[in-house]
Amino acid sequence: RKEVEQDPGPFNVPEGATVAFNCTYSNSASQSFFWYRQDCRKEPKLLMSVYSSGNEDGRFTAQLNRASQYISLLIRDSKLSDSATYLCVVRTSYTGTASKLTFGTGTRLQVTL
Amino acid sequence: DAGITQSPRYKITETGRQVTLMCHQTWSHSYMFWYRQDLGHGLRLIYYSAAADITDKGEVPDGYVVSRSKTENFPLTLESATRSQTSVYFCASAENYNEQFFGPGTRLTVL
Repeated sequence: RKEVEQDPGPFNVPEGATVAFNCTYSNSASQSFFWYRQDCRKEPKLLMSVYSSGNEDGRFTAQLNRASQYISLLIRDSKLSDSATYLCVVRTSYTGTASKLTFGTGTRLQVTL
Repeated sequence: DAGITQSPRYKITETGRQVTLMCHQTWSHSYMFWYRQDLGHGLRLIYYSAAADITDKGEVPDGYVVSRSKTENFPLTLESATRSQTSVYFCASAENYNEQFFGPGTRLTVL
């Protein structure tokens, strides 16, 4: 089983739609969670961290469910510029070594007119 | 301009050749990382460094060598390139283990 799993998509949605992505992780000891955005052939960039209580940044809402070991990203009022691949990232600490970031393979979103 | 840069951006080489990918950051971040990104695998950590002269293996270190003599530079060397090392390579830096800032990537093709 992969440490971090995402539906690869693509999710094709019209402008203005609401879309949600889920991501599951296998290590219950994982401590921190993030969503990164990656545009085609570009580098990943941090979109938002995911906090236990859930957090919102404009049209984006991230939630964490530790019991079920999944995180979600909700995008409201989708814009053409939201078209990208969204990477789920999990940080886990291991005894005696530095923390490890594990990246999911990403979920591709295509927003259309 | 401050940031993280990688060179070359594109490289074609032949099997068995040595290749060095360069990474330079101007933020004085303590941590630096090398990842490779392949279809179906996501980003996989090759090596990382917590400070100058401190490096450690990541998930897929075989066939790669790194050094960090200066905080700002973190070169990655493929000692004897193989076709399986054809990939997009991203360097990243971070002040802590949360937000990482990525360079623009190097697309390497090994023929």
